[in-house]
Amino acid sequence: GAVVSQHPSWVICKSGTSVKIECRSLDFQATTMFWYRQFPKQSLMLMATSNEGSKATYEQGVEKDKFLINHASLTLSTLTVTSAHPEDSSFYICSARASTSGIAGELFFGEGSRLTVL
Amino acid sequence: SQKIEQNSEALNIQEGKTATLTCNYTNYSPAYLQWYRQDPGRGPVFLLLIRENEKEKRKERLKVTFDTTLKQSLFHITASQPADSATYLCVIMDSSYKLIFGSGTRLLVRP
Repeated sequence: GAVVSQHPSWVICKSGTSVKIECRSLDFQATTMFWYRQFPKQSLMLMATSNEGSKATYEQGVEKDKFLINHASLTLSTLTVTSAHPEDSSFYICSARASTSGIAGELFFGEGSRLTVL
Repeated sequence: SQKIEQNSEALNIQEGKTATLTCNYTNYSPAYLQWYRQDPGRGPVFLLLIRENEKEKRKERLKVTFDTTLKQSLFHITASQPADSATYLCVIMDSSYKLIFGSGTRLLVRP
């Protein structure tokens, strides 16, 4: 099946630094990718929808200057957590839908990135 | 308000039995409903999609029902195995084509 690779799988950083997380679709093209945040025992919360070649669409309450999203190609989207603080510590997950599938198409998820900000 | 609810308590069953998980939603009229499996510290994995005009969908030991009148989906795993232990997420698509995730129900299958 289709594979989405997310890197790094875990990262520890100091408060105030920026962290970049990559999401790659390895064997398919994804016009749209999604970024989620998940707290322990809670649902995935959609942060933003990343569209190739255009600006990301952020959900209400998500700071676009804090969480920078770049979708430069059909196989790569990046999320940069800028000036990270301890409250940004979370599990971040990306997903992608194949460009050839419809809007209800299966989402392929990355393995997630565990961010810990000290 | 719009809600999608899954039982927050873990479902603990004996190997070989059928596991039934429930997903209820309010103030949505989804055209599609999906179920995903999530293991601890991992991303979700797609299992099944069911459309609003489908009452039931099967895939191997999995069965999903979709009752748009009750606003409920049931997810069944027959002949459950310890390897089925995971959290199962119900996901619906809202009117703006956004996927809304339930908080998931944890299934524990005892050997």
